[in-house]
Amino acid sequence: ETGVTQTPRHLVMGMTNKKSLKCEQHLGHNAMYWYKQSAKKPLELMFVYNFKEQTENNSVPSRFSPECPNSSHLFLHLHTLQPEDSALYLCASSQYDGKNEKLFFGSGTQLSVL
Amino acid sequence: QKEVEQNSGPLSVPEGAIASLNCTYSDRGSQSFFWYRQYSGKSPELIMSIYSNGDKEDGRFTAQLNKASQYVSLLIRDSQPSDSATYLCAVNILRVAYNTDKLIFGTGTRLQVFP
Repeated sequence: ETGVTQTPRHLVMGMTNKKSLKCEQHLGHNAMYWYKQSAKKPLELMFVYNFKEQTENNSVPSRFSPECPNSSHLFLHLHTLQPEDSALYLCASSQYDGKNEKLFFGSGTQLSVL
Repeated sequence: QKEVEQNSGPLSVPEGAIASLNCTYSDRGSQSFFWYRQYSGKSPELIMSIYSNGDKEDGRFTAQLNKASQYVSLLIRDSQPSDSATYLCAVNILRVAYNTDKLIFGTGTRLQVFP
C-alpha cells in the first residue's frame, strides 16, 4: 500500500459516456499528478497540481478535465473519449520542493474506450 | 534524441547472477535520478534515488551515476525470479519555460530472471 488510493481499478466506457477517476493520497504530500501509460511508451505526464494549483497541462485534449479540490484529492473527468485514449491512468503524489520528485503511485485505472 | 533512453529488453539473467540495467539522459544539468520497478499489471514503485556521482547501495541494489557520461545504471545482485519486472529510469529535467523541474521517464527495461 503506497498511501495513494485510486478508484475505479477498471473502467470500460463508450465514446459518448462521462466518467470520473478519483485519487486520494494519505501521505501529506503537496503535489499530485495524473500520468498516462500506454503500451511501448514512456509514462506521459498529463497534469500537475502543487498546493491545489494546476501548474502543468501537458497539451492534454480538453476531453480530459482535472479537478483538485484540496491537496489530498484529485479527479480526472472524462467525456467523449476516443479508443486511442485506452490506457492505464496513474495518479501519483510527492512532497515537491522544486528540485526533485519522488513519486508515490496509486494502483491505476485501466481504461478501455469502446 | 530522447530525453531518457533505455533498452526495452527483455534482459534475461539466471537466478543468482548480477542484472545490469542502463539508462542515458540528454540534459547535462539534471541533478536527480530515480529507478522505479513495475510488476506486470501493477503501478511503478520507487526503489532507488541517486543525486551524486558514484555508487549508492541499498541491499541487493546498487545505483551508479556518471554525470560526465550522462548515464545512470542499476545493478541487482543475486537476482531472484521475484525481481522479474520492468525497471523504469526517471530523470529530473530542468524546464526553463516553467522555471521548474520535470520528471521524465524512460520506456523501461523488462528484466526476466529464470530459475
